[in-house]
Amino acid sequence: GDSVTQMEGPVTLSEEAFLTINCTYTATGYPSLFWYVQYPGEGLQLLLKATKADDKGSNKGFEATYRKETTSFHLEKGSVQVSDSAVYFCALSSDTPLVFGKGTRLSVIA
Amino acid sequence: EAGVAQSPRYKIIEKRQSVAFWCNPISGHATLYWYQQILGQGPKLLIQFQNNGVVDDSQLPKDRFSAERLKGVDSTLKIQPAKLEDSAVYLCASSLWAASLKETQYFGPGTRLLVL
Repeated sequence: GDSVTQMEGPVTLSEEAFLTINCTYTATGYPSLFWYVQYPGEGLQLLLKATKADDKGSNKGFEATYRKETTSFHLEKGSVQVSDSAVYFCALSSDTPLVFGKGTRLSVIA
Repeated sequence: EAGVAQSPRYKIIEKRQSVAFWCNPISGHATLYWYQQILGQGPKLLIQFQNNGVVDDSQLPKDRFSAERLKGVDSTLKIQPAKLEDSAVYLCASSLWAASLKETQYFGPGTRLLVL
């Protein structure tokens, strides 16, 4: 079945550091790929998405590129802020509803 | 536009008791989902409704969990009787259509359940 594997956390970075959270997937067909973010005490929010190969999703300074050849959708941000501290979930949807990875907790310290 | 509403936000019960959660999706959204998120894991789909019909309940533990969406708008998820392993956050989400499973889902804040 479809699955998502993302790097385990927690990830701790200093403010203004570069962020990469790795995500790879296994799926039949041509899935759409998503990154969701969960801030403390809040529900999941869609951060960005890409619906086909080579698409780049971007939002709030975060980017991720749909790489079909490596089945990856890594999340990047050039300069993180304390307010980016949250749990980040990679997810896919092809012929099934959303399948999530286990999440990566990011802590950004000033 | 109002988001997905859920209540209660927190619930503590003893094992073997029953509990119910309520969800009101975004207005006009035909599809409603219930997810279970156990601590340290990603959300797992329990059930998907399209209007008032069930599309997928293959991962719903039907011996103790039930859900309904009688008028195709709000929904209730019930656990009876609860077990310790049901301690989790229960998330409700909605999307405009189910025709495309790639449709963006919008999540509510969740109900955090602790079973003692």
